[in-house]
Amino acid sequence: TQLLEQSPQFLSIQEGENLTVYCNSSSVFSSLQWYRQEPGEGPVLLVTVVTGGEVKKLKRLTFQFGDARKDSSLHITAAQPGDTGLYLCAGQGAQKLVFGQGTRLTINP
Amino acid sequence: NAGVTQTPKFRVLKTGQSMTLLCAQDMNHEYMYWYRQDPGMGLRLIHYSVGEGTTAKGEVPDGYNVSRLKKQNFLLGLESAAPSQTSVYFCASSYSWRQFFGPGTRLTVL
Repeated sequence: TQLLEQSPQFLSIQEGENLTVYCNSSSVFSSLQWYRQEPGEGPVLLVTVVTGGEVKKLKRLTFQFGDARKDSSLHITAAQPGDTGLYLCAGQGAQKLVFGQGTRLTINP
Repeated sequence: NAGVTQTPKFRVLKTGQSMTLLCAQDMNHEYMYWYRQDPGMGLRLIHYSVGEGTTAKGEVPDGYNVSRLKKQNFLLGLESAAPSQTSVYFCASSYSWRQFFGPGTRLTVL
């Protein structure tokens, strides 16, 4: 069974600080996705990383896929209150995605 | 395009009652999924479908049934609801592994 562990589960920081969220597994995934979910809504895809070692940037968000394609990280620079939400990583398995348990991020003004 | 829609948005059931959740997508996607989301547990896959007329079990299928009679619709049924099925249910459809989610159904079983 493929599992994804996210850490931390909860993170509350002040506006302007930097943060990193981790997504780890003992399994290899062909690709890994990051989603963001706001209260009362479904998750929305932020990025897909495919190649080991790949780095993708989305404004202040930087996503990295581990060399061995077993782990990923999301780094946010100068966090803003609008970044508040639940961040989910998901690994591509056979015919379906495997989701981590999520990181609930709160950015305080 | 409406994307993925779910009905109803909210529902309260008594233990033992049955209900059907409807998911519809207008993107002509082959793959569709039903998840439940509980605090601290992320999204857990209940059932999924890789095309019209096909269904398969996911991680937590017990107590649920599904049907995919039309490509655009994926129905999730609870035959005899239990309090443990209190959750938020999300439907998704996918293209090239990108999943598009509906807004969710909040179900409470008393």
